[in-house]
Amino acid sequence: AQSVTQLDSQVPVFEEAPVELRCNYSSSVSVYLFWYVQYPNQGLQLLLKYLSGSTLVKGINGFEAEFNKSQTSFHLRKPSVHISDTAEYFCAVKPTNAGKSTFGDGTTLTVKP
Amino acid sequence: DGGITQSPKYLFRKEGQNVTLSCEQNLNHDAMYWYRQDPGQGLRLIYYSQIVNDFQKGDIAEGYSVSREKKESFPLTVTSAQKNPTAFYLCASSIGTTSGAADTQYFGPGTRLTVL
Repeated sequence: AQSVTQLDSQVPVFEEAPVELRCNYSSSVSVYLFWYVQYPNQGLQLLLKYLSGSTLVKGINGFEAEFNKSQTSFHLRKPSVHISDTAEYFCAVKPTNAGKSTFGDGTTLTVKP
Repeated sequence: DGGITQSPKYLFRKEGQNVTLSCEQNLNHDAMYWYRQDPGQGLRLIYYSQIVNDFQKGDIAEGYSVSREKKESFPLTVTSAQKNPTAFYLCASSIGTTSGAADTQYFGPGTRLTVL
């Protein structure tokens, strides 16, 4: 079994400031890692995913995430946020040996002018 | 365009009534999922199906039922046995979970169910 902990439920930040959304996970098996974004009253869409190889993964909209195996973390970062980045962000893991995904509780990012 | 559609977008139900939420995909995906989303609780898995005519309970299946008679369709029925059904319901699909591949899920726009 696996679990996902998103360490901040809400992150307020000013426009053009950098942001980091934190995600830790635990699993007894190897996992793939994902970040999804959800805009108000919409479904989720994939931001980026880590499968293997380079631990720094780049995604859409200027976001990137770094996989840290020793700390079992997969934090999401953006160097300069926009108002349009205001949304809820979900971290998820999926076992590499088949099985279903597990989602974190989400982090609400609010970008203020 | 390929994607997932859910209907209706908003649904109102009286207590004691069953209601069915529609989910259709034209991505030719084998796997489909239903999640419930409540404020501050993230996504909780209700049911999932890895192949036609087969489905498994997720973490919160009580009070819900599903069918998977066609590859592209995975309707969810919220029964009167579900004690607190007011929530946002999300359907998703993916290529398939049996292969162990990195299985990105594609989500529909959701249905907001309110019990009056």
